[in-house]
Amino acid sequence: EVQLVESGGGLVQPGGSLRLSCAASGFTVSSNYMSWVRQAPGKGLEWVSVIYSGGSTYYADSVKGRFTISRHNSKNTLYLQMNSLRAEDTAVYYCARSRGGGNPYQFDYWGQGTLVTVSS
Amino acid sequence: DIQMTQSPSSLSASVGDRVTITCQASQGITNYLNWYQQKPGKAPKLLIYDASNLETGVPSRFSGSGSGTDFTFTISSLQPEDIATYYCQHYDNLPITFGQGTRLEIK
Repeated sequence: EVQLVESGGGLVQPGGSLRLSCAASGFTVSSNYMSWVRQAPGKGLEWVSVIYSGGSTYYADSVKGRFTISRHNSKNTLYLQMNSLRAEDTAVYYCARSRGGGNPYQFDYWGQGTLVTVSS
Repeated sequence: DIQMTQSPSSLSASVGDRVTITCQASQGITNYLNWYQQKPGKAPKLLIYDASNLETGVPSRFSGSGSGTDFTFTISSLQPEDIATYYCQHYDNLPITFGQGTRLEIK
């Protein structure tokens, strides 16, 4: 059974850093396209970043230069390192896997989400 | 960036009703469109991919259609468990973007 379990969220001050983790089971992270998608409280969905199976990474303009997506193959875990956090980064962060077929952006499995709150 | 505009923003319907949500892209995206269902406090769930393909395990009362800039999502007979917010999402190019969501309620 495919499962994604996020962790690492919490309260952080503006300008601070946080690393989110997404532990996967039932499939191999490094063989799939994996993304982070966030949702501010009461708002819609916003794609944040993707890592391709080949290792290429891409980011939304709103986080480029501040966030880094990565994976640890032996731990089968996806990460999102978030630096220089701003109030507008406050959101529930989901990791999501793309379904097979070669398309990176059809998210068939999602984690339960982890809340990041940026506030002083 | 491609803007995705959903209509309506909210909708109230009765059990058994046919429900239709539209999604318009700010430029042509061929059929590079997904539809998701999100229930309160839960992660989104993929229902439709490539504009009209039903994801495995999703009930057949859900369907999607369209291409280019105009897309439609339909629930043929609304069930109580369909109460949720529905999002369209394009993947024509980066950044991928989502519609603002359509909140569906039972009348």
